[in-house]
Amino acid sequence: AQSVTQLDSQVPVFEEAPVELRCNYSSSVSVYLFWYVQYPNQGLQLLLKYLSGSTLVKGINGFEAEFNKSQTSFHLRKPSVHISDTAEYFCAVSASHGGNKLTFGTGTQLKVEL
Amino acid sequence: DSGVTQTPKHLITATGQRVTLRCSPRSGDLSVYWYQQSLDQGLQFLIQYYNGEERAKGNILERFSAQQFPDLHSELNLSSLELGDSALYFCASSVNPGTRSVYNEQFFGPGTRLTVL
Repeated sequence: AQSVTQLDSQVPVFEEAPVELRCNYSSSVSVYLFWYVQYPNQGLQLLLKYLSGSTLVKGINGFEAEFNKSQTSFHLRKPSVHISDTAEYFCAVSASHGGNKLTFGTGTQLKVEL
Repeated sequence: DSGVTQTPKHLITATGQRVTLRCSPRSGDLSVYWYQQSLDQGLQFLIQYYNGEERAKGNILERFSAQQFPDLHSELNLSSLELGDSALYFCASSVNPGTRSVYNEQFFGPGTRLTVL
């Protein structure tokens, strides 16, 4: 079984400032890792994913994340946020060997202020 | 637009009632997933179907059931509704169910918001 921990339920940040949203996971098997974004009253959109290979992955809207196996982390970063980045961000995992179900963290609400 | 459609968008009903949520996957996708997003439980996987067959089961209550039809659309049936069943129900689809070391991206629909009064 897998589990995901997002320690920060809310992260306020000023526009054009950098941001990091933290994600730690636990799993007895190797996993794929994901970040999804949910804008108000909308569904989930995939931001980026780590399947294998380079531990630094780049996604849409200028976001990137780094997979750290030793620390079992997959933190999401953006060097300069915009008001339009205000949304809820979910970290998720799925077992890489069979099955496709996603296990989500509790989400981090990113609020970008002027 | 992910290509996954869900109806209805909103549903308001009373405790004890039964409702059916419908999902149409993206064209060509054979696998359908249901997730529940609630304030208490967060986002959790309920059940997965692949080409009409149940493939994986998560934290789905016995009062809930699902099926996938020959045309690949899926329905989630919720019965004997309780206040705590109020949530956003998402459907997602992927081409394949996800086999050993083969990744299949899930595309999410906009969700059905269920309110139980």
